[in-house]
Amino acid sequence: GDSVTQMEGPVTLSEEAFLTINCTYTATGYPSLFWYVQYPGEGLQLLLKATKADDKGSNKGFEATYRKETTSFHLEKGSVQVSDSAVYFCALYYSGGYQKVTFGTGTKLQVIP
Amino acid sequence: DTGVSQDPRHKITKRGQNVTFRCDPISEHNRLYWYRQTLGQGPEFLTYFQNEAQLEKSRLLSDRFSAERPKGSFSTLEIQRTEQGDSAMYLCASSLADGKTEAFFGQGTRLTVV
Repeated sequence: GDSVTQMEGPVTLSEEAFLTINCTYTATGYPSLFWYVQYPGEGLQLLLKATKADDKGSNKGFEATYRKETTSFHLEKGSVQVSDSAVYFCALYYSGGYQKVTFGTGTKLQVIP
Repeated sequence: DTGVSQDPRHKITKRGQNVTFRCDPISEHNRLYWYRQTLGQGPEFLTYFQNEAQLEKSRLLSDRFSAERPKGSFSTLEIQRTEQGDSAMYLCASSLADGKTEAFFGQGTRLTVV
């Protein structure tokens, strides 16, 4: 079945450091890929998405490129801020069929001043 | 309409009691999903509706769980005879059935069974 694997956290970085959170997936078809973010005590917010191979999703300084050859969708940011501290979830989703979103286990990011 | 809303935000109940949660999706969204999230894990799919029809249920959804969406608008998730293992965050999401729109999530209902 479909699955998403993320690097385990927590990840602790100093402010302005470079961030990479690895995500790989297993899928039977051609899913869309997402990164969701969850701030403490809140629900999930869509951070960025990519719907086909080689697409790059970007938002708020975060980027991720859909790599079909390596089945990966790694999240990157050049300079993190304290306000980026949250849990990040990689997810896949099929645009056809029933559109169920399959999530990874999440990676907690803590940015220290 | 500002997004998906869930009620209550928090619920503490004694083991064996029944609880019901409500989800109000984004008004034009015809698909509605329920997920469960336990501490340190990603959300796990429970069930989804298209309009009022419940189209899929996960094996995670035991006989004690029932979900409804009677008029294709809001949905309820009921858990009967709650167990401590039911303690989790219950997330609702909605989307259009157009093959393009991603799911938008509510803030969740945190259930604690004592």
